[in-house]
Amino acid sequence: GQNIDQPTEMTATEGAIVQINCTYQTSGFNGLFWYQQHAGEAPTFLSYNVLDGLEEKGRFSSFLSRSKGYSYLLLKELQMKDSASYLCAVRDEVTGGGNKLTFGTGTQLKVEL
Amino acid sequence: DVKVTQSSRYLVKRTGEKVFLECVQDMDHENMFWYRQDPGLGLRLIYFSYDVKMKEKGDIPEGYSVSREKKERFSLILESASTNQTSMYLCASRYGTGGTDTQYFGPGTRLTVL
Repeated sequence: GQNIDQPTEMTATEGAIVQINCTYQTSGFNGLFWYQQHAGEAPTFLSYNVLDGLEEKGRFSSFLSRSKGYSYLLLKELQMKDSASYLCAVRDEVTGGGNKLTFGTGTQLKVEL
Repeated sequence: DVKVTQSSRYLVKRTGEKVFLECVQDMDHENMFWYRQDPGLGLRLIYFSYDVKMKEKGDIPEGYSVSREKKERFSLILESASTNQTSMYLCASRYGTGGTDTQYFGPGTRLTVL
């Protein structure tokens, strides 16, 4: 099985940088995803890491260390619209019948003026 | 753009009723998923399907069943709804099983069981 931990809440200031951490203990690993979910809406895909290192995508970057079971999502130049829940999800190893994601409980980010 | 639609945004049912939640995707995706989302518990997988008529249990299948008769449609069934099944239900679909194949979510159905 999978166990995924991330902070429940974070608060940051508009224009600043924030780092949201995610740690996982897994019986198998085939990639880590970050999703953004605004209140009352569906989660939307932000980033994917399967190899160690940093993946950059505009204002958002995601880092993975497989040996440490650790990932973080870095948000730069924060905007008010970045206030949302950020979900970390780990994908199982691919099996004959397909694979699945296990989600953390999400980190609620509040961006303040 | 991938589109995943769910039959209702809000649904109110009574204890003991049979409830059908429908999900349709328009991108010929092989894999479809049903989750429920509850405060403090996050997204939990109920069932998933990787092909027509194929299904696998997720982490919390008890009290639920599913049906996938056509590739584009995946139904979640609550045989006898109970109050502890009050939740937000999210459907998702995905093309393959590897690489950056990500899941695309529907808008969700907020189910209240009285």
